Amino acid sequence: DAGVTQSPTHLIKTRGQHVTLRCSPISGHKSVSWYQQVLGQGPQFIFQYYEKEERGRGNFPDRFSARQFPNYSSELNVNALLLGDSALYLCASSLGRLTGELFFGEGSRLTVL
Amino acid sequence: EDQVTQSPEALRLQEGESSSLNCSYTVSGLRGLFWYRQDPGKGPEFLFTLYSAGEEKEKERLKATLTKKESFLHITAPKPEDSATYLCAVPDAYSGAGSYQLTFGKGTKLSVIP
Repeated sequence: DAGVTQSPTHLIKTRGQHVTLRCSPISGHKSVSWYQQVLGQGPQFIFQYYEKEERGRGNFPDRFSARQFPNYSSELNVNALLLGDSALYLCASSLGRLTGELFFGEGSRLTVL
Repeated sequence: EDQVTQSPEALRLQEGESSSLNCSYTVSGLRGLFWYRQDPGKGPEFLFTLYSAGEEKEKERLKATLTKKESFLHITAPKPEDSATYLCAVPDAYSGAGSYQLTFGKGTKLSVIP
């Protein structure tokens, strides 16, 4: 069975540009979350979507936005990129409710120059 | 604000040398503590869920335990393939739908030398 897939795997942007990251959850998973992982740190929660509705937002500026599509795939958008946005962006899906068992993709490595 | 602190930051072990990793947490009303393994360049992989003090879970050479203030990940007779960063996490919030929103610690980078 296919796991969580993310694209692109690596990308380089310059300050001020915007980026769109994509995620396909495991088939049957309706909950998708996005996390940012800076080098040497643990993942930090950005957004959670469940049944196409935003269900949670972490402490990130409005430059970060996301959405979930009818097929449960998701996009994370970041506008006006800053150097500090350089990180590994992880997408995770889960099967049910009240669970901390998340299935992570391999991430999108964003470098902002 | 919920806090998760892991120690040590890095640990080097000889193959077969058992040890423990620590995860201390400050949360109000723990709804679970989760352990993940992360290999370089990969996303975290779920290992264990612990819900109540005294609970233990085992998987191969790993055993996770939970007290009221901390969790331990015990590694018995580790092998080089156990080398990875081990992350613990607690639920930060729950919206009433879908999965928990997790607060992760910084992780412990384990290196097992042959």
